[in-house]
Amino acid sequence: GAVVSQHPSRVICKSGTSVKIECRSLDFQATTMFWYRQFPKQSLMLMATSNEGSKATYEQGVEKDKFLINHASLTLSTLTVTSAHPEDSSFYICSARDTDRDRETQYFGPGTRLLVL
Amino acid sequence: LAKTTQPISMDSYEGQEVNITCSHNNIATNDYITWYQQFPSQGPRFIIQGYKTKVTNEVASLFIPADRKSSTLSLPRVSLSDTAVYYCLVGDDNYGQNFVFGPGTRLSVLP
Repeated sequence: GAVVSQHPSRVICKSGTSVKIECRSLDFQATTMFWYRQFPKQSLMLMATSNEGSKATYEQGVEKDKFLINHASLTLSTLTVTSAHPEDSSFYICSARDTDRDRETQYFGPGTRLLVL
Repeated sequence: LAKTTQPISMDSYEGQEVNITCSHNNIATNDYITWYQQFPSQGPRFIIQGYKTKVTNEVASLFIPADRKSSTLSLPRVSLSDTAVYYCLVGDDNYGQNFVFGPGTRLSVLP
């Protein structure tokens, strides 16, 4: 149980284009999902918290107009990197909490590697 | 927000027991302690979680002293496949507090 998927697993795009990443909780409902970014050899950095049916809450320094988050259902949150640039190249990871079972534990997706040329 | 401190790296040999300690001096009353494992290019994987004393599951044990200002993840008889980065997180289920990762401990298991 508590499986989280991400799609795509890897994406290469040209500078200036937008990229959408999906995060799904496959066998549980997640009222809260989280988006992280991880650069090589570094730790995960929390970007934003996504709550179903409401606006996401962004961490300091994260541009909400550049990283659009939508959490339209209890099993799906999307992150759209708008007008991507090479410096946005990174490993993006989502996580979700199974609020019915275990409120203190996050379950992570496999990550999406974004390369902007 | 409880800040955590871990050793940056550790080396071990196959078959040994590995103990990774995390310091969290300003842990709050409602905070839980959670450990994750991450392999390169993968999302973190939940290992174990505890509040106090000792917790054991099929892969690890977690020791938490009475003052809860530190915790120790114990991996029995490690193998090469346990080479990974291990993260200690401290927080409760209030928004945002449980989800700030420190630098983690890079464990290298040698043959």
